[in-house]
Amino acid sequence: NAGVMQNPRHLVRRRGQEARLRCSPMKGHSHVYWYRQLPEEGLKFMVYLQKENIIDESGMPKERFSAEFPKEGPSILRIQQVVRGDSAAYFCASSPQFDSPEGYTFGSGTRLTVV
Amino acid sequence: EDKVVQSPLSLVVHEGDTVTLNCSYEVTNFRSLLWYKQEKKAPTFLFMLTSSGIEKKSGRLSSILDKKELFSILNITATQTGDSAVYLCAAPGTSGSRLTFGEGTQLTVNP
Repeated sequence: NAGVMQNPRHLVRRRGQEARLRCSPMKGHSHVYWYRQLPEEGLKFMVYLQKENIIDESGMPKERFSAEFPKEGPSILRIQQVVRGDSAAYFCASSPQFDSPEGYTFGSGTRLTVV
Repeated sequence: EDKVVQSPLSLVVHEGDTVTLNCSYEVTNFRSLLWYKQEKKAPTFLFMLTSSGIEKKSGRLSSILDKKELFSILNITATQTGDSAVYLCAAPGTSGSRLTFGEGTQLTVNP
């Protein structure tokens, strides 16, 4: 039973390009959460999704960032027109049900570097 | 806004030492507090605490919650170099869908 799979592990983008980060939740998990970790900081919540629905995007920047979790395939976090301040580690977590934080499993993260 | 604060931010000890990591919180509708260990990759779950005064233990690690004073501590006894990591404390918010994390404590255990 593979854990939460994120890819790519490392991503380098030039300013102005688009970044697409993928997250495949654990088998049987239908709840996906994205967090961002800036250097020397803790994880900050971005968005919570269930299949085909965004449930809570209160942590997402209003512009350039979007997320989806289609019926088939992984969840995608998309950052358009990246800037240097977007450089961070982006972690995805999944859980089998809502409101079970002890059931969260985190992926290994995607480290985005904007040059 | 929910808030979780950890101290110290970094700690350097020698193998065999005992360490205590602190986590204080201000959370609306508090339900639980979680501890994670992060070693340059995915945070891994250590403990979830819901009740005051009940110690949770796993090997050399233990943790306890004080709901009156709004804090938790994570103790590690007889530290080993493999304990070197960032230790994160987090609390779920009212909606349950998001965790508020502290900044983490970077623990370095030297041989």
